[in-house]
Amino acid sequence: GAVVSQHPSWVICKSGTSVKIECRSLDFQATTMFWYRQFPKQSLMLMATSNEGSKATYEQGVEKDKFLINHASLTLSTLTVTSAHPEDSSFYICSAVKPGRTSNEQFFGPGTRLTVL
Amino acid sequence: AQSVTQPDIHITVSEGASLELRCNYSYGATPYLFWYVQSPGQGLQLLLKYFSGDTLVQGIKGFEAEFKRSQSSFNLRKPSVHWSDAAEYFCAVGAGNQFYFGTGTSLTVIP
Repeated sequence: GAVVSQHPSWVICKSGTSVKIECRSLDFQATTMFWYRQFPKQSLMLMATSNEGSKATYEQGVEKDKFLINHASLTLSTLTVTSAHPEDSSFYICSAVKPGRTSNEQFFGPGTRLTVL
Repeated sequence: AQSVTQPDIHITVSEGASLELRCNYSYGATPYLFWYVQSPGQGLQLLLKYFSGDTLVQGIKGFEAEFKRSQSSFNLRKPSVHWSDAAEYFCAVGAGNQFYFGTGTSLTVIP
């Protein structure tokens, strides 16, 4: 199998605080993970590519100082939303690529709903 | 540049009726193609995927999709829709090390 988990599944925080979201590959090691953001009724937007042991690659328009990504191990990537504001409220989804696959298939986590008050 | 188009933003079908969701892509080579379903507030569930070989792909929940290279299409079909199929459906293309998602089609099923 290829199971990806996210924690927490939902979080509510006050404006100005920081929130950390974890993405774990449970039964495989993932050298590459991706972070997406999804607004209501919209598609997924790639935020960044997280590579184990190196800096994340951010998509154009994504503030790297606001959305800190750390891929410290082959099974864990974290996304920290710093100084969160209401406009950061969204559904955040991570995915992981299983090594050895040539199909570019990504395995998605269940998502984290962030609400900033 | 790679792109994925889902022309239908919203589709309504009666329960028991057949369904076809359209997906067109733009990519220089033969892409890896995927269909996902997303229920409200949930993550993505893979319905089916095409990598190579037989162009008619069978998936879970009775879904199938056909890859047509000449039309750059990968349409999703189901012969008889169930009320539980109501959800958002996303077509995606795997190219290089990235995914490109379509904008999604929202499916409503009426009794």
